[in-house]
Amino acid sequence: EPEVTQTPSHQVTQMGQEVILRCVPISNHLYFYWYRQILGQKVEFLVSFYNNEISEKSEIFDDQFSVERPDGSNFTLKIRSTKLEDSAMYFCASRRGGGANEQYFGPGTRLTVT
Amino acid sequence: QKEVEQDPGPLSVPEGAIVSLNCTYSNSAFQYFMWYRQYSRKGPELLMYTYSSGNKEDGRFTAQVDKSSKYISLFIRDSQPSDSATYLCAMSSGGSNYKLTFGKGTLLTVNP
Repeated sequence: EPEVTQTPSHQVTQMGQEVILRCVPISNHLYFYWYRQILGQKVEFLVSFYNNEISEKSEIFDDQFSVERPDGSNFTLKIRSTKLEDSAMYFCASRRGGGANEQYFGPGTRLTVT
Repeated sequence: QKEVEQDPGPLSVPEGAIVSLNCTYSNSAFQYFMWYRQYSRKGPELLMYTYSSGNKEDGRFTAQVDKSSKYISLFIRDSQPSDSATYLCAMSSGGSNYKLTFGKGTLLTVNP
């Protein structure tokens, strides 16, 4: 069964460093998302992406964040200068569209900023 | 008032019990309702997806949506220890993005 994959599973970085989180969505899906979950808190929407552009972003998704689909399979989230409060689980999700609205999530990347 | 409210539990039941999990919401624009299961430090796994009001059954799971009361439920029949996880409700108003708004999750433990 197709699934969303994410790498790395755990990333440790120092404050101020740049990180890139990678995702491979399900192959015939057209809509891509990033969410994050701070420990003990809700899963929160960050950004949605369709047709090679951002379709919506939350207020969390400030200028430190960017997303890219560099090729036909990968979808990345870049945090330019990490802060302590960026420590969280980051989940990628994808949706096929065309009436199929279910979102499928990857296993997540645990980001620890020290 | 929070957009989606979910009792965090924890909820502990014996094996074989019927479990009822619930969420309330305030945004009347929500039309799509989902339940996800999340094991510790793992990604949310889609269990049930419903559109608008009504019931949907899949094996031991039944999802109910009452839009007039802004209330959704997930019932688990014949609960098993493997059902022990955090259950997240999520909803969307649709539109072009279908971004999801989540509840905080209910931690369920099914004891053998």
